[in-house]
Amino acid sequence: QKEVEQDPGPLSVPEGAIVSLNCTYSNSAFQYFMWYRQYSRKGPELLMYTYSSGNKEDGRFTAQVDKSSKYISLFIRDSQPSDSATYLCAMSLVGQKLVFGQGTRLTINP
Amino acid sequence: GAGVSQSPSNKVTEKGKDVELRCDPISGHTALYWYRQSLGQGLEFLIYFQGNSAPDKSGLPSDRFSAERTGGSVSTLTIQRTQQEDSAVYLCASSLGTTTEYFGPGTRLTVT
Repeated sequence: QKEVEQDPGPLSVPEGAIVSLNCTYSNSAFQYFMWYRQYSRKGPELLMYTYSSGNKEDGRFTAQVDKSSKYISLFIRDSQPSDSATYLCAMSLVGQKLVFGQGTRLTINP
Repeated sequence: GAGVSQSPSNKVTEKGKDVELRCDPISGHTALYWYRQSLGQGLEFLIYFQGNSAPDKSGLPSDRFSAERTGGSVSTLTIQRTQQEDSAVYLCASSLGTTTEYFGPGTRLTVT
C-alpha cells in the first residue's frame, strides 16, 4: 500500500462546476499538507499549504485536512478552463522530505 | 527573484550514452531534490540533498544513476549507459528546510 493514495482520474467537468480532489494517507504522523498544480510540460507549482488539521481558503481554492480520517481535499469553486492541469497532493513529517500522491488530471470544459 | 532552473530543457541521446542534467536551485535553499516523471505518471523520488548531510539516495533506480551537489548549490544528475526506459522528465526542486518545495521546469530526456 502506498503512503499517499490519489485517484489519477482523469476528471472532466464543465466550466463553473465545483471540483473536489482528494487524497488519503496512511501515516498519521504527517503534519504538513500541500497541493501542487502542474500544467502540461511544466514543473509543479505550489498552490496551497496547510499545517495540521482544518481549512484554508485562497480565492476560489479551499484546502481541507481531516487528520482523524487521514484524508485531505482541495475544492475549486467556479472552475475555469485555465484550471485544467494535474493536481498533486503532498505531505510530510516534520523535518522530512515530501511524499507525493500520483496526481489527478483535471479538465474543465468550456 | 529567480526560481529553480534546469538545463538542458530537452535532451535526445542514443541508448548506451551517458547524460548529465543540471539544476540551479533557488539561492540560499539548503535542500535539493531530484524526481523523475514518466508520461502521465506521478513523481518518482530519486535523491535528496540537505545541507552538508549525506544525501538520501534511496530512490535511485540503479547504479547507473548518480548525483552530486557542489558547494551546496548546483547539482548534476548523471545517467550512465542510458536505456530507453530512462526516457522521462527529470525534475529538480529546492527548499529552505524540508517543507515547501519549489520545482524547476524539468529536463525532458529521450533515449533512442
